Amino acid sequence: EPEVTQTPSHQVTQMGQEVILRCVPISNHLYFYWYRQILGQKVEFLVSFYNNEISEKSEIFDDQFSVERPDGSNFTLKIRSTKLEDSAMYFCASSLASGGAGELFFGEGSRLTVL
Amino acid sequence: QKEVEQNSGPLSVPEGAIASLNCTYSDRGSQSFFWYRQYSGKSPELIMFIYSNGDKEDGRFTAQLNKASQYVSLLIRDSQPSDSATYLCAVNGDYKLSFGAGTTVTVRA
Repeated sequence: EPEVTQTPSHQVTQMGQEVILRCVPISNHLYFYWYRQILGQKVEFLVSFYNNEISEKSEIFDDQFSVERPDGSNFTLKIRSTKLEDSAMYFCASSLASGGAGELFFGEGSRLTVL
Repeated sequence: QKEVEQNSGPLSVPEGAIASLNCTYSDRGSQSFFWYRQYSGKSPELIMFIYSNGDKEDGRFTAQLNKASQYVSLLIRDSQPSDSATYLCAVNGDYKLSFGAGTTVTVRA
């Protein structure tokens, strides 16, 4: 069964360092998303991406964050200068149709710990 | 203003009982509603979705939608210990799904 894959599964970094989280969405999906979940809290939307453009982003997704689809398969989330409060599980998701019409399939997540 | 609200848990039910989970949403324009299950430390996993008013059944799960009341629910029949998880209600926007905080269900053997 097709699945969304994410790397790394866990990353520990120092505050102020840059981090790149990588995702390979399901191959025929067109819409890509990043969500995060701080421990014990809700799943929060960060950004959606379609046709090489950001479709929507949340207030969380400030100038420290960026997304890219560098090739036909990968979808990345970059945090330029990490803060302690960026510590969370980051989930990549993809869907065949826009979030309004198609269900999202999630990867296993990348746990980011900022020290 | 919260977009998606779920009944606070945790919800503890005996094995074999029915677990009832509720969710309300604020955007009247929402058209698609999803229930995800999330085991501790894992990613959300889709259980089922519903688009039309009424009931939709899938195995032991039944989703109910009432758009006039902006209410969606999930019933888990014959609850099993393996159903112990957090259940997330999600509602569509134009380019995203918005999630509720989740209801944690514990099924007692």
